[in-house]
Amino acid sequence: GENVEQHPSTLSVQEGDSAVIKCTYSDSASNYFPWYKQELGKGPQLIIDIRSNVGEKKDQRIAVTLNKTAKHFSLHITETQPEDSAVYFCAASLYSGAGSYQLTFGKGTKLSVIP
Amino acid sequence: EAQVTQNPRYLITVTGKKLTVTCSQNMNHEYMSWYRQDPGLGLRQIYYSMNVEVTDKGDVPEGYKVSRKEKRNFPLILESPSPNQTSLYFCASRRGTGPNQPQHFGDGTRLSIL
Repeated sequence: GENVEQHPSTLSVQEGDSAVIKCTYSDSASNYFPWYKQELGKGPQLIIDIRSNVGEKKDQRIAVTLNKTAKHFSLHITETQPEDSAVYFCAASLYSGAGSYQLTFGKGTKLSVIP
Repeated sequence: EAQVTQNPRYLITVTGKKLTVTCSQNMNHEYMSWYRQDPGLGLRQIYYSMNVEVTDKGDVPEGYKVSRKEKRNFPLILESPSPNQTSLYFCASRRGTGPNQPQHFGDGTRLSIL
């Protein structure tokens, strides 16, 4: 099966600085890589995703990059704000048989933005 | 509003007392799944369902049961809960079983088994 490693497990940045979270995956057949943000007391919410045929995707202050050769992908948040403080999860989607694709999640990164 | 609804949100119970956590989605999604979230372990899939009457084990199915009698509902059943099932549980759904499908999560159920 797929294995997803996520680093760092905790990250503190000053408001206005950038934050980068990195993930690696083990199976080169994985083809879809979403990122989720989990705020306290809430379920994970999709914030951005990237498909394996794309190298980079941006949405305002958030961007994701994918390096298929190295099997790693990263989340970049620029001009961080206190409301960016949350736990972030990366995931990789892999065909698991019987017509189904399964998501494997990283262990999460707790981001704290210091005002 | 499109959502995944779980109930209860919090439950404290005792070892061996059967419990059910309900999950309902209003997006007509085919695929539903259950995860548990534990500190340092991230999200691990318990069971999933690709459609009505079709369920399969995830990575950590031991001690859990599920059923999918209707498309919108996917209850998680703990027939004889034990303390090692104390955790934060999430139900999720997505439109289909294919790749590139955004997954929607409920707000979680915190279970404490004493």
